[in-house]
Amino acid sequence: QVQLVESGGGVVQPGRSLRLSCAASGFTFSSYGMHWVRQAPGKGLDWVAVIWYDGSNKYYADSVKGRFTISRDNSKNTLYLQMNNLRAEDTAVYYCARKNPSGAFLPDWGQGTLVTVSS
Amino acid sequence: AIQLTQSPSSLSASVGDRVTITCRASQGFSSALAWYQQKPGKAPKLLIYDASSLESGVPSRFSGSGSGTDFTLTISSLQPEDFATYYCQQFNNYPLTFGGGTKVEIK
Repeated sequence: QVQLVESGGGVVQPGRSLRLSCAASGFTFSSYGMHWVRQAPGKGLDWVAVIWYDGSNKYYADSVKGRFTISRDNSKNTLYLQMNNLRAEDTAVYYCARKNPSGAFLPDWGQGTLVTVSS
Repeated sequence: AIQLTQSPSSLSASVGDRVTITCRASQGFSSALAWYQQKPGKAPKLLIYDASSLESGVPSRFSGSGSGTDFTLTISSLQPEDFATYYCQQFNNYPLTFGGGTKVEIK
């Protein structure tokens, strides 16, 4: 079955960087677009970024554009989110999610990894 | 970006009640809307996609409808396991956006 496992979260100071990973298994990773979605403590869902199955296209939320970079390594079945210049408002649980081939809805999610930006 | 406004933001209901949640979009689109259920500490679970298509394995008491700017999620007979927060999401274009959520609580 589809499995998505995020890692790399933790506590980081404002202005610093962090890289999240999402290890995928149970499906042909190189055939699916992938997303990052975050959720601040006690708040709603907030879409972050998407990458096409082959890495050819990427889109970002305005709030992270220029600071975050989504990437993937299809040989390692792994999705990444490089987060630079982190701010307190980036504090959230970060989920990776698999895109359905027929539309950008998300049938499969990881368990999430918590990023806390605090001095 | 398309803004999605859910109403109500919370509701109290009893087991067996019919529950309706509304999602209104700031601009119209055809049917590129999904609904998710989220329980505390868990990842969201897809319930409905393409506004009215039931995801495999989701009970038939869940249904979705609508197009344009107004969409609805209905739970025909609320069960104890349905107490959760529900989110709509548009995938008509990027950036993807979610509604603010509707928390369904036990009366």
